[in-house]
Amino acid sequence: VQLVESGGDLVQPGRSLKLSCAASGFTFSDYNMAWVRQAPTKGLEWVASISYGGSTTHYGDSVKGRFTISRDNAKSTLYLQMDSLRSEDTATYYCARPGATYYYGWFAYWGQGTLVTVSS
Amino acid sequence: IQLTQSPSLLSASVGDRVTLSCKGSQNINNYLAWYQQKLGEAPKLLIYNTNSLQTGIPSRFSGSGSGTDYTLTISSLQPEDVATYFCYQYNNGWTFGGGTKLELK
Repeated sequence: VQLVESGGDLVQPGRSLKLSCAASGFTFSDYNMAWVRQAPTKGLEWVASISYGGSTTHYGDSVKGRFTISRDNAKSTLYLQMDSLRSEDTATYYCARPGATYYYGWFAYWGQGTLVTVSS
Repeated sequence: IQLTQSPSLLSASVGDRVTLSCKGSQNINNYLAWYQQKLGEAPKLLIYNTNSLQTGIPSRFSGSGSGTDYTLTISSLQPEDVATYFCYQYNNGWTFGGGTKLELK
C-alpha cells in the first residue's frame, strides 16, 4: 500500500489550492478514503471522508463549505479542493486509508503528507 | 465526541510499564484506535477496536477499555517508543485526542 500526496504550497489567504493523493498497492475503488491534517506542532484533525464510490462525503466543521473531497477511481487518486483558505488551514495534510473495505473506521495507512502554508 | 488524553507529557525509563489514558465525552462503544507518531513522520496505527493489535506492531503494546475510558499500555518501554501517541474515535464522527508525548527519563 502506498499513498503519495502532492500539491502542497505557500498560498495567500482567500486563495484556492488542490491536493492530490495517488494510491497504489490495493484496489482503490474498494475503500473509503480520508484527509487528516496536522497544524505545526499541533495534534491531528480529521478533515473529510469520501465513500468508495464517491457518492457520499463528510466534512469537519472547520472546513465545511470551503473544502471539497473527491476521487477518481479510474486514476486511483484522491483529491482535496481547498477554497477560501485561512491562516488556520496551515498544516500538513495526510491522505489516509481505512483498515477495511467499504468502511470508514480506523486509518491503517497514511501518506507522508504535503505541507500547505497559508500566509500573505 | 471529544477525546481527552492524559497526561500530556510522560517521562519514563527504559523497561518501565507505561499507561496512557484517553477519555471520551460520550460512550465510544470500543470504536477506538491508538496511533504512534515520531518526529517528522506520519502517524502509525498501533491498536484498533480498543484492543486489536495491528499487524507488525510489537506485543508490548496493548489496549483496553470500555464506555468512555480507554488505555494504551506499553509493558516494557523501549528507546524507540519515544513518540507522541494519539487516540482516535470512530463511533460518532471521527475525532483525535490531543496527544501524549512520551519521553525517556
